[in-house]
Amino acid sequence: AQSVTQPDIHITVSEGASLELRCNYSYGATPYLFWYVQSPGQGLQLLLKYFSGDTLVQGIKGFEAEFKRSQSSFNLRKPSVHWSDAAEYFCAVGILTGGGNKLTFGTGTQLKVEL
Amino acid sequence: DAGITQSPRHKVTETGTPVTLRCHQTENHRYMYWYRQDPGHGLRLIHYSYGVKDTDKGEVSDGYSVSRSKTEDFLLTLESATSSQTSVYFCAISDEGDTEAFFGQGTRLTVV
Repeated sequence: AQSVTQPDIHITVSEGASLELRCNYSYGATPYLFWYVQSPGQGLQLLLKYFSGDTLVQGIKGFEAEFKRSQSSFNLRKPSVHWSDAAEYFCAVGILTGGGNKLTFGTGTQLKVEL
Repeated sequence: DAGITQSPRHKVTETGTPVTLRCHQTENHRYMYWYRQDPGHGLRLIHYSYGVKDTDKGEVSDGYSVSRSKTEDFLLTLESATSSQTSVYFCAISDEGDTEAFFGQGTRLTVV
């Protein structure tokens, strides 16, 4: 069975600093990988996704992520964090089958931005 | 935003009572999902549907049932609510060959 690990529960960065959120996955085949963001009281919004091709993917809000097969990782990065980026971030692996796109999520990383 | 409406948005119920949560979509997407979100667990799949009257279990299906009589509606029922089912419930949809799932705003359920 697939699994996702986000080793950092909480991360605090200063506004303007760079950010990297870690994600490791376990899956027997080439995975479909996703990063979602959740603001308080809101649903999940897709930041970016990877399923083939270029291993460096660009997303919305200035985020990017790099797929590294050898490390089973899909880390999320942003060069300069804004106060509005404070939220919870979820990494997920998806399996496309006859049942659609079923996602397995990590436990999330809560990002705090200090002004 | 994807046209997904969850109702109710908040509910408090007593242990042992039945509860039904509704997910309504206007996108005509084939697949619908119910997830629950709990601290320290992220989101976990409860049940999903791959068409009208076609449903299957997810990772944490015990104590839950679902029904889908129309493309646009996916109902999640707790037959006899327990305190362990206090959670935030999210509905999601996706379409044929679609790698992206779109999420609703969530329903906060408290079982007392």
